[in-house]
Amino acid sequence: DGGITQSPKYLFRKEGQNVTLSCEQNLNHDAMYWYRQDPGQGLRLIYYSQIVNDFQKGDIAEGYSVSREKKESFPLTVTSAQKNPTAFYLCASSTPQRDYEQFFGPGTRLTVL
Amino acid sequence: AQSVTQPDIHITVSEGASLELRCNYSYGATPYLFWYVQSPGQGLQLLLKYFSGDTLVQGIKGFEAEFKRSQSSFNLRKPSVHWSDAAEYFCAVVPEGATNKLIFGTGTLLAVQP
Repeated sequence: DGGITQSPKYLFRKEGQNVTLSCEQNLNHDAMYWYRQDPGQGLRLIYYSQIVNDFQKGDIAEGYSVSREKKESFPLTVTSAQKNPTAFYLCASSTPQRDYEQFFGPGTRLTVL
Repeated sequence: AQSVTQPDIHITVSEGASLELRCNYSYGATPYLFWYVQSPGQGLQLLLKYFSGDTLVQGIKGFEAEFKRSQSSFNLRKPSVHWSDAAEYFCAVVPEGATNKLIFGTGTLLAVQP
């Protein structure tokens, strides 16, 4: 079955450390997205990529970085510059052939101690 | 300002009762509209979507939503709620002409009483 995988499910890091969250999809979608979810705030867009080797900042990109070297993969690095990194992170993908519906992974909960 | 509004943060209904979750948007005349559901600690699952045509849209799990252009609304309904429907529900909009962005409301948390 096609889908999106995110690993790990839970991640703990010490303050000041960079951490990379994995997102892989086998849906053959061109576009991929990273969202941050905090209680009561819905989902906020961090970065998105419409094609390989290209990506754009979303609404809250400060303190985060991404790469898109392969169509299937869109890793997110949470850097030490992110002031409040503890959150639930969701990856998604989409294709015009499915009316831009976004398909979501199961999420990674990052806790910075 | 452009926005997606879900005015109800938390709703509690009894099992078997009907449900309506409200969503209002301010992104153009005919955006793409979605409802997603999220169980605790999980990703989001699409319930239904609207792009054009019939304004009453049927989705999975017995949900439906009605697009009302005059009210800029896309409310989600279910005639009889089951305990397994307890979850958080998000309305989302792809603004007209901006297909690379999905704008989410802040969500409505649904609790179901036995």
